[in-house]
Amino acid sequence: DVKVTQSSRYLVKRTGEKVFLECVQDMDHENMFWYRQDPGLGLRLIYFSYDVKMKEKGDIPEGYSVSREKKERFSLILESASTNQTSMYLCASRRGDGYTFGSGTRLTVV
Amino acid sequence: AQSVTQPDIHITVSEGASLELRCNYSYGATPYLFWYVQSPGQGLQLLLKYFSGDTLVQGIKGFEAEFKRSQSSFNLRKPSVHWSDAAEYFCAVVSSGGSYIPTFGRGTSLIVHP
Repeated sequence: DVKVTQSSRYLVKRTGEKVFLECVQDMDHENMFWYRQDPGLGLRLIYFSYDVKMKEKGDIPEGYSVSREKKERFSLILESASTNQTSMYLCASRRGDGYTFGSGTRLTVV
Repeated sequence: AQSVTQPDIHITVSEGASLELRCNYSYGATPYLFWYVQSPGQGLQLLLKYFSGDTLVQGIKGFEAEFKRSQSSFNLRKPSVHWSDAAEYFCAVVSSGGSYIPTFGRGTSLIVHP
């Protein structure tokens, strides 16, 4: 089975900190995605990547950036964390018609 | 742009009762359609998907869904709900001729009474 691993299940960060959320997949998938999940809003796409060093903005990219230096790793970066970025963050990867999601990182910004 | 509507925020059913979760999509061509389930504290697990062919799709855990083009719907059903089915359910659509980026509905929270 494809595995998508998000390094942290829970994170607590202070306002203004630079935050890195890491996502690693083990099956050589080209496409990777970062979603944010909030109650009543479902999953909203932040950024996605079609391949190494390629990135595209999703629906809500403001306040975020991403890095994909290696095919298996897709990092989400909060340049200066704010309280409105408190949320659950889900990473996913895709090859063909199969999408695999990580277990999520619940980030709290205080 | 594609969109997905799940009109029910919460659904409450008794254990053993039947279940139907609604999903409507907006997209010009025939999309690829998915249902995912998310248990508390977990990621999303694929229940079933529809790409083409038979409009009644069987999935895992006894779930099925029916694609109705005329109604732009892809409703999820289960004949007899178990307490372990309590979770959040998400419908998603992917454009068949484009970027393959899933767009999700807002989710339906299923509560199961004993």
